[in-house]
Amino acid sequence: GAVVSQHPSRVICKSGTSVKIECRSLDFQATTMFWYRQFPKQSLMLMATSNEGSKATYEQGVEKDKFLINHASLTLSTLTVTSAHPEDSSFYICSARSGTSGLGGTDTQYFGPGTRLTVL
Amino acid sequence: QKEVEQNSGPLSVPEGAIASLNCTYSDRGSQSFFWYRQYSGKSPELIMFIYSNGDKEDGRFTAQLNKASQYVSLLIRDSQPSDSATYLCAPESGYALNFGKGTSLLVTP
Repeated sequence: GAVVSQHPSRVICKSGTSVKIECRSLDFQATTMFWYRQFPKQSLMLMATSNEGSKATYEQGVEKDKFLINHASLTLSTLTVTSAHPEDSSFYICSARSGTSGLGGTDTQYFGPGTRLTVL
Repeated sequence: QKEVEQNSGPLSVPEGAIASLNCTYSDRGSQSFFWYRQYSGKSPELIMFIYSNGDKEDGRFTAQLNKASQYVSLLIRDSQPSDSATYLCAPESGYALNFGKGTSLLVTP
């Protein structure tokens, strides 16, 4: 249980284009999903918290107009990187928060496999 | 600023030994603490969590928590080469996780 998928796993695009990344919780409903970004040899940095049916909460320094997040259902959240530039190249990882799967009652975040974005 | 400090390593241990990974955190409001393992180029995978002071064992892994000292650790017994990865400490604040930079563990055959 507690499987989170992400699509695509890898994308290469030209500067100025927009890229959409999907995050799905496959076997549980996630009222809260999170989007992280990780640069090489750096820690995961939380970009935003996404709650189903409401606007995402962005971390300080993350441009909400550049990184559009939609959490339309309890199993799907999407991140759209608009007008991507080379500095947006990174490893984008989503996670979904589960309160019912497995581990003794404490809500747990399960991570998707990540999307590696390269902007040329 | 909610700081999470981990020794970046690499921590090198021989196969079969005990690996000890440490983490300190600044947010006294954190109630739950998670350990994730991340292989190079992959996303984190959950190892275990702890929320009560003391020790919690799960197979070869033992998490230890001392909230008064704001300290959490992970012990890996009988370390295997497949345990070589970066280990991320993540105290939970509200619904969010604050990640340390991780400790790189290398288990040598």
